[in-house]
Amino acid sequence: AQKVTQAQTEISVVEKEDVTLDCVYETRDTTYYLFWYKQPPSGELVFLIRRNSFDEQNEISGRYSWNFQKSTSSFNFTITASQVVDSAVYFCALFTGTASKLTFGTGTRLQVTL
Amino acid sequence: DAGVIQSPRHEVTEMGQEVTLRCKPISGHDYLFWYRQTMMRGLELLIYFNNNVPIDDSGMPEDRFSAKMPNASFSNLKIQPSEPRDSAVYFCASSPVGLDVGELFFGEGSRLTVL
Repeated sequence: AQKVTQAQTEISVVEKEDVTLDCVYETRDTTYYLFWYKQPPSGELVFLIRRNSFDEQNEISGRYSWNFQKSTSSFNFTITASQVVDSAVYFCALFTGTASKLTFGTGTRLQVTL
Repeated sequence: DAGVIQSPRHEVTEMGQEVTLRCKPISGHDYLFWYRQTMMRGLELLIYFNNNVPIDDSGMPEDRFSAKMPNASFSNLKIQPSEPRDSAVYFCASSPVGLDVGELFFGEGSRLTVL
């Protein structure tokens, strides 16, 4: 069985603070893919990043960075110098060949205030 | 380019009525997915199509739910008869490649309330 755990239900920060969203996954597959999606107040989910299980390099895209650690089965997401526009629900997701579908975590609601 | 288009955005209906949700995927995308989002169960995959053919409908909750994709530019999800527990946001998503490779492009969702 595959599972994605986002233990943080809701996080509130003040603008310009750094914030890390945690994601822990479970799978017995050796090949798998991890994703992060953003769901802004408008509702649609927006793809942020995809990582395969053989690529443990951390990735940085502007103020966003991702830390993938197979040893702890974690794929954490950090927003540096957060902005009000970052306020959204963020979902971590896992795809494995065994399940052949995306399993989403329960999401973390990020509220960035002035 | 237009994204995934869903209609209606909001639907309020009474228990027992038939509900039809519609989706127009991004042109050229071979995969189409229907998801349901609720507070209790989060995001669940209901069914997905590849080249208009249903591939996996194991997520469809019960026989009251059905989905079709008569052509590459349209899909619908029907609930008949609807029940209050069907209240949720239903998302359609499309992708040019499969789940394991590409990203999903989501519509803005159809919020269904069954009274």
